[in-house]
Amino acid sequence: IAGITQAPTSQILAAGRRMTLRCTQDMRHNAMYWYRQDLGLGLRLIHYSNTAGTTGKGEVPDGYSVSRANTDDFPLTLASAVPSQTSVYFCASSDSIELNEQFFGPGTRLTVL
Amino acid sequence: GQNIDQPTEMTATEGAIVQINCTYQTSGFNGLFWYQQHAGEAPTFLSYNVLDGLEEKGRFSSFLSRSKGYSYLLLKELQMKDSASYLCAVASNDYKLSFGAGTTVTVRA
Repeated sequence: IAGITQAPTSQILAAGRRMTLRCTQDMRHNAMYWYRQDLGLGLRLIHYSNTAGTTGKGEVPDGYSVSRANTDDFPLTLASAVPSQTSVYFCASSDSIELNEQFFGPGTRLTVL
Repeated sequence: GQNIDQPTEMTATEGAIVQINCTYQTSGFNGLFWYQQHAGEAPTFLSYNVLDGLEEKGRFSSFLSRSKGYSYLLLKELQMKDSASYLCAVASNDYKLSFGAGTTVTVRA
């Protein structure tokens, strides 16, 4: 692994289903983030983690949950998907929340029908 | 809340110069970032300004005026590969980034 990876690349999901988007980084970065990107709205922060074991809510956290059991992994879970969660999801990481040059993963394109 | 404004689209000719403006109103300020995003790809870091003035990095320069809540990204000697979206982002008091909607730059031959 080099950098930050996400899986799956894309997914079509029925409304009401549970879905976990995976994110892994090998840069030993302390801070990790989840964003969604929608046309005309730019990137919006869903959840973040300053360091392993801690998480926080971003601008649009409703309907999403995260966990940070270790430094490398930061999965995002949609407990019961709704069509408004159709979006492109980007995971990012930075050395720390204060040193904020963020490195982005390739994204997951999610469609909820 | 955070408010970050940038133009939606700009078009320029290969070899020319384009300036993308960004104005912001945020809860505190801990730096302004510019990212480049090609269609279907992830954003990549271009520049970071935390003090007033101009930061130059090759063909790209970024300027910041904190008192005016204003920044611009200057792209010189435009190349076709510079066709992309350019995202302005501001780190607020809690260091979290708020992004503008992005400016799509199209470079024509």
